[in-house]
Amino acid sequence: NAGVTQTPKFQVLKTGQSMTLQCAQDMNHEYMSWYRQDPGMGLRLIHYSVGAGITDQGEVPNGYNVSRSTTEDFPLRLLSAAPSQTSVYFCASSPLLILNTEAFFGQGTRLTVV
Amino acid sequence: TQLLEQSPQFLSIQEGENLTVYCNSSSVFSSLQWYRQEPGEGPVLLVTVVTGGEVKKLKRLTFQFGDARKDSSLHITAAQPGDTGLYLCAGRGAGSYQLTFGKGTKLSVIP
Repeated sequence: NAGVTQTPKFQVLKTGQSMTLQCAQDMNHEYMSWYRQDPGMGLRLIHYSVGAGITDQGEVPNGYNVSRSTTEDFPLRLLSAAPSQTSVYFCASSPLLILNTEAFFGQGTRLTVV
Repeated sequence: TQLLEQSPQFLSIQEGENLTVYCNSSSVFSSLQWYRQEPGEGPVLLVTVVTGGEVKKLKRLTFQFGDARKDSSLHITAAQPGDTGLYLCAGRGAGSYQLTFGKGTKLSVIP
């Protein structure tokens, strides 16, 4: 039972580099989201998707892109990494048609931009 | 934007003590959840409360949703070292699938 799988677990980037954080879930959940977690800031929503082909911005979307070509995958792209994007990134999924449902989280990707 | 204020931010107590963590907002939420996060892991759901005034118990943990559905509390009785972790409250507004998180309470229980 894999649940939500994030790769890589750790990554170091140089300023200006681009990369993609991968997220896959095997629970057939329609709703998927990306958060970043910084010390003392809790979890802040970056982007979310309610199904394949549908994405929308969250609270802190600048510098990030997403796409949702399948139900299972929801990659997060950093276009040109900046030190301010150093953070721990979490992907989460949940079923859309169940009210007040649980969000299932991956183990996170710790990203350092130097 | 709905905000959740969580307090205290840090809590260090001795094993066997009781503690309460608070989650407050000026907004009404259709539901409120509490998650626990261990180092290097993602948050894991502890409980969901949906009705104003609702009280739920999970062993030594008691969760309460305020009557007006704007606030919640988590009370731990006789804390154990295994309770150490980051506790996060998260709320959903009416008709929304988005979760708004508080900033978290980092709990350390000293043996």
